[in-house]
Amino acid sequence: DTAVSQTPKYLVTQMGNDKSIKCEQNLGHDTMYWYKQDSKKFLKIMFSYNNKELIINETVPNRFSPKSPDKAHLNLHINSLELGDSAVYFCASSSRGGASEQYFGPGTRLTVT
Amino acid sequence: GNSVTQMEGPVTLSEEAFLTINCTYTATGYPSLFWYVQYPGEGLQLLLKATKADDKGSNKGFEATYRKETTSFHLEKGSVQVSDSAVYFCALSSGGSNYKLTFGKGTLLTVNP
Repeated sequence: DTAVSQTPKYLVTQMGNDKSIKCEQNLGHDTMYWYKQDSKKFLKIMFSYNNKELIINETVPNRFSPKSPDKAHLNLHINSLELGDSAVYFCASSSRGGASEQYFGPGTRLTVT
Repeated sequence: GNSVTQMEGPVTLSEEAFLTINCTYTATGYPSLFWYVQYPGEGLQLLLKATKADDKGSNKGFEATYRKETTSFHLEKGSVQVSDSAVYFCALSSGGSNYKLTFGKGTLLTVNP
């Protein structure tokens, strides 16, 4: 059973397009996250939702919009894709609490051409 | 703000060598500290954690001790294996209502037979 799953695994698209990445967790967690990993492997938080409520929104362009239809899902929609958006995007989930382990999905490699 | 500094890689070792990856942090309050590992082509997995000063986290032969006086959380393993080849991330969570992880830049470890 996959704990945190993401679709698609690979996404190749052209500049200016709009695309979505989906994330689902079956761990019963109430907090979900999106991270971006750049080509140098640096990881940075983008968004976090707790019980469908946005609790972290780092300095991310407005073209990125997360949506959480329920506690088990957190999707990421990206408008007007740019070359600099090329990266690996990881979804994660955890139970509430600063010491809680975050469980990561396998990642979505986005390539913008 | 919070920050994590870990030693630059890459690190290349022979099998059965001793491993140390240094990690220091800056944070307000009393953060929880983590080491995550990313194997090639996969998402991150929690390797170990410590939630208060002088705690030692350990897993799969890896250890790290939460040192408040030196704000450090160095990762060690006495005898590395080829299967330990991966990218290692030090991270902290400062709790409160904000459970985001702040990551170091990652250290690529390659173990040769």
